[in-house]
Amino acid sequence: GAVVSQHPSRVICKSGTSVKIECRSLDFQATTMFWYRQFPKQSLMLMATSNEGSKATYEQGVEKDKFLINHASLTLSTLTVTSAHPEDSSFYICSAREGIGYGYTFGSGTRLTVV
Amino acid sequence: AQKVTQAQTEISVVEKEDVTLDCVYETRDTTYYLFWYKQPPSGELVFLIRRNSFDEQNEISGRYSWNFQKSTSSFNFTITASQVVDSAVYFCALSLNNQGGKLIFGQGTELSVKP
Repeated sequence: GAVVSQHPSRVICKSGTSVKIECRSLDFQATTMFWYRQFPKQSLMLMATSNEGSKATYEQGVEKDKFLINHASLTLSTLTVTSAHPEDSSFYICSAREGIGYGYTFGSGTRLTVV
Repeated sequence: AQKVTQAQTEISVVEKEDVTLDCVYETRDTTYYLFWYKQPPSGELVFLIRRNSFDEQNEISGRYSWNFQKSTSSFNFTITASQVVDSAVYFCALSLNNQGGKLIFGQGTELSVKP
């Protein structure tokens, strides 16, 4: 079946630094990738949708300059949290889709802690 | 507006009991997909089922069954003879092709199955 690899699984960084999270589709070409954020005991909130070769579409309230998303190839999307602060500490999950009508494959998530 | 509501925040049952998780959705689109995911403590999302809006047949998979009723905009999930390993957070989700295929998640229901 379709597999999405997300790295790192856990990261601790200092306040003010940037962190990059990678999401790779291993056995299919992901025309669309989605990035979600999940705070403890809460649901998954969509941050942005990215299509290969295009700029990401951010959801309302998500700072595009803080959460940089790049989807340069059909198998790789990255989320960079710039100038991270403790309130950015969260669980970030990516999801990839081969196309309309296909299912969604989720990565295993990245737990970010900003100290 | 599109929305998914899971009114039950937490459910606690004793092993071998049957339990039903409710999901109500809102959309004006006629073409959409509904999903159920399981999220164990590890955080990874486990796909359970996908249903398109034109298929109202109920589905059974082992101890799991789903009841899709368009008349009440509901897509409920029943676990028969629950087991401790069923303990997790369960999410119902809705996707619309005309919204870039993004998944809209419900708030989640935390199921605790006690021995």
